Amino acid sequence: DTGVSQDPRHKITKRGQNVTFRCDPISEHNRLYWYRQTLGQGPEFLTYFQNEAQLEKSRLLSDRFSAERPKGSFSTLEIQRTEQGDSAMYLCASSLGGMGPGANVLTFGAGSRLTVL
Amino acid sequence: AQTVTQSQPEMSVQEAETVTLSCTYDTSESDYYLFWYKQPPSRQMILVIRQEAYKQQNATENRFSVNFQKAAKSFSLKISDSQLGDAAMYFCAYKGGSEKLVFGKGTKLTVNP
Repeated sequence: DTGVSQDPRHKITKRGQNVTFRCDPISEHNRLYWYRQTLGQGPEFLTYFQNEAQLEKSRLLSDRFSAERPKGSFSTLEIQRTEQGDSAMYLCASSLGGMGPGANVLTFGAGSRLTVL
Repeated sequence: AQTVTQSQPEMSVQEAETVTLSCTYDTSESDYYLFWYKQPPSRQMILVIRQEAYKQQNATENRFSVNFQKAAKSFSLKISDSQLGDAAMYFCAYKGGSEKLVFGKGTKLTVNP
């Protein structure tokens, strides 16, 4: 297992188009997270899955954003009708549940950078 | 809502010297975790060190150590014997009862040879 993989690494799109990002977590991790990071800022939480269930979603998340994790493995994040303000790095992370030493430690992917023209 | 504040947008250190990065946080929770993450340029974020709030002993990981002051809600990171590879953005992060991490805005660390 090579860690958390994200695809594509870069996406340039025109305003109004839909985009989808994919995240493949570490295989034994049952928790998956999406964050957004804009230039000069720390990552901002978007949503969290435990297995296939989406258990937490940021109130800041627009209705144009939707995330799925259909079989509790990979996840997709879709942005509909993109706006220039959506330009950011979208980070995926995964972690183990439970109470062991690996719990609460997020492993991040390299991110998917979105540019909306 | 919990907040994390990193008051130093940029710091610099000479190679082999020691540097301390500051972080304060605000919470009403009693049980939580604190983290320092490192994000090298164009590379993924990696965990540097973590601290459980219930532990009074400060966490250490090789050249990295923290000064955790729970009453003051302060969580600083000390990097000893700084190396060129330590150059990166450093983010302080908080996790309480929710699953989300709350990050500060980061401190850009430059290591001068």
